[in-house]
Amino acid sequence: QSALTQPPSASGSPGQSVTISCSGTSADVGRFNYVSWFQQHPGKAPKLMIYEVTKRPSGVPDRFSGSRSGNTASLTVSGLQAEDEADYYCSSYAGSNNLVFGGGTKLTVL
Amino acid sequence: QLQLQESGPGLVKASETLSLTCTVSGGSIAGSSDYWGWIRQPPGKGLEWIGNIYYTGNTYYNPSLKSRVTMSVDTSKNQFSLKVHTVTAADTAVYYCAREPTYCSGGSCYNQYYFDYWGQGTLVTVSS
Repeated sequence: QSALTQPPSASGSPGQSVTISCSGTSADVGRFNYVSWFQQHPGKAPKLMIYEVTKRPSGVPDRFSGSRSGNTASLTVSGLQAEDEADYYCSSYAGSNNLVFGGGTKLTVL
Repeated sequence: QLQLQESGPGLVKASETLSLTCTVSGGSIAGSSDYWGWIRQPPGKGLEWIGNIYYTGNTYYNPSLKSRVTMSVDTSKNQFSLKVHTVTAADTAVYYCAREPTYCSGGSCYNQYYFDYWGQGTLVTVSS
């Protein structure tokens, strides 16, 4: 059982927006500004998409955005494209030099 | 461009020790203030953080794995390594090495708790 809870699946049509949630607690997601999101295509290594809740690394399209409300972080993908179909994982610092991941969400572009 | 590459046996017998090495190119482990980490992913499952190490040898581990994990660094070879002791089938996974950048200001550096560069991953299967 993962420390952070994500929905197993999400979907949307091309051009639409989809939001993936990442539910934690006041000891991790709700306490620290160290929430990150990763995209993983089949057979590939994860790729950093968002760090520190809302920041986007260079090269990541601005269609990807992160946010947080209370103990739940969210990743929103706007203007869905076929290449966005992948697994998405959230992670958070949980204090005492401990990092936790979510169970992952499979995003399908219909 | 920073690159990381995992290497090691793809098959390990149950109860033995899993050993992997990550070779860093395009940057120096000793010359940076960054941490270096290991993450694993069982087949068809999610990611699990294992631990991180600094070039000085300072480490921090996932509490659930801490009793069986050892990480080390060899700055002369620009490598860091992972050992998982007394493995079982549950340790079968793709193992990734990655960089955790730090933020430095005023002479101090601070963990950022995310991974920006990843290796391609290597599958390790534990056999009975």
